[in-house]
Amino acid sequence: DTAVSQTPKYLVTQMGNDKSIKCEQNLGHDTMYWYKQDSKKFLKIMFSYNNKELIINETVPNRFSPKSPDKAHLNLHINSLELGDSAVYFCASSPGTTEETQYFGPGTRLLVL
Amino acid sequence: DQQVKQNSPSLSVQEGRISILNCDYTNSMFDYFLWYKKYPAEGPTFLISISSIKDKNEDGRFTVFLNKSAKHLSLHIVPSQPGDSAVYFCAASVASSGDKLTFGTGTRLAVRP
Repeated sequence: DTAVSQTPKYLVTQMGNDKSIKCEQNLGHDTMYWYKQDSKKFLKIMFSYNNKELIINETVPNRFSPKSPDKAHLNLHINSLELGDSAVYFCASSPGTTEETQYFGPGTRLLVL
Repeated sequence: DQQVKQNSPSLSVQEGRISILNCDYTNSMFDYFLWYKKYPAEGPTFLISISSIKDKNEDGRFTVFLNKSAKHLSLHIVPSQPGDSAVYFCAASVASSGDKLTFGTGTRLAVRP
């Protein structure tokens, strides 16, 4: 069984559209994260939720809004997509605090045309 | 199915000694490997990388070794310092996939003064 899953794996869309990326973990973890990989090496944390509550909110445009309906899910909604939003987005989860090891999802490649 | 594995969740080393963090992978298509370092409440930051055409890459106190036949890489830190205490993630990518990363679950390194 996949521990951390993301859907879709690939997303191609036009500028100005609104899209969502879903993330689910079946590990019973309390904390979930969203990261953006916007180059070959650089991974930036965007959000972190612990038990459905926001604990990290880095400087990202407010077009990005995470939603956690329960602690097993952390979805990422993006409004008014821009070209610069093209990247790979990773979801991850960890058992408790941010010091724990993390399980990463497979990533969602977003391409904005 | 975990394609990148870090089988040791934690490692404790005396200051000044060598730290060796290990990573195994199963996908023979991977041709680029990276190590990230993560402090609490922050996202992983890039540390060092290696291409599959090399078997060693060195950057100051950090050296990454790649054994393609064994599908194994390791990160050596010499000498270890208390500031190296963090979680270390191994990641891999396939150039043809546009460099989307696949992460291991991390190893927490504690360097004792």
